[in-house]
Amino acid sequence: DIQMTQSPSSLSASVGDRVTITCRASQGISNYLAWFQQKPGKAPKSLIYAASSLQSGVPSKFSGSGSGTDFTLTISSLQPEDFATYYCQQYNSYPWTFGQGTKVEIK
Amino acid sequence: EVQLVESGGGLVKPGGSLRLSCAASGFTFSSYSMNWVRQAPGKGLEWVSSISSSSSYIYYADSVKGRFTISRDNAKNSLYLQMNSLRAEDTAVYYCATPTENGDWGQGTLVTVSS
Repeated sequence: DIQMTQSPSSLSASVGDRVTITCRASQGISNYLAWFQQKPGKAPKSLIYAASSLQSGVPSKFSGSGSGTDFTLTISSLQPEDFATYYCQQYNSYPWTFGQGTKVEIK
Repeated sequence: EVQLVESGGGLVKPGGSLRLSCAASGFTFSSYSMNWVRQAPGKGLEWVSSISSSSSYIYYADSVKGRFTISRDNAKNSLYLQMNSLRAEDTAVYYCATPTENGDWGQGTLVTVSS
C-alpha cells in the first residue's frame, strides 16, 4: 500500500498568513493526488484534484503543486473560514490512501 | 446540482449486519464510478470501497474485504454498501463520493457497532 505522510500534523497561523502543507507518498503516484478540507461535524470538501487542478467553485487562494512523491497545498492568505483540517489522498492505485491530516488553527 | 444522500446507518451489535444506501441526483449516475469512504470518531479518512460505472470492477480495503459488499442500481441512481460481520472498529461515519475528479461527497451516515 502507498503511505501518505503529511506535515506538519498541526499548525497555528494568523489571518492573512501564507500557509503551506506538504504531502509525501511512499512511492511515485504521478499527479493522482487530491486535497480535501474538513470542518468539525461536516463532510470533507474537495479542493484540488490531479495535484494542481482546482475544483469548481474553490477560491483561487488555494493552490496545489507537485508530482511523483512530493506535493504541496498552499493557502495564499488565510481567512477565518479556512481554519480546518486538510487531508491529501492518492488515487493512483488501490487501496486509495489518505494522509493523517493537518489541523490549521488560529494563532 | 449534485446531491448524494446516505441512509441506513444506526446502532448494531457486533456480528450484525447493516445496509447503507446512497441516493444520487444532479448528474448521470450510470456514467461514473462511485466510492465509499469512512471516518471513525476523531480519526482520519479511510477509503472503503469503489465500484465502476457498470459494476465490472470492484475494489475493497483489506479491513472490510470478505465482510462488506458494494453494489449499485443505475436504474435507481443508487449506491449500496452491505456490511456483514460488523466489528466495533467499523464504527464510523460512512460517506459516498463521486470520482475524485468530480469531488462530490454526501453528508454521511453514522454506523455504531456496540453491544
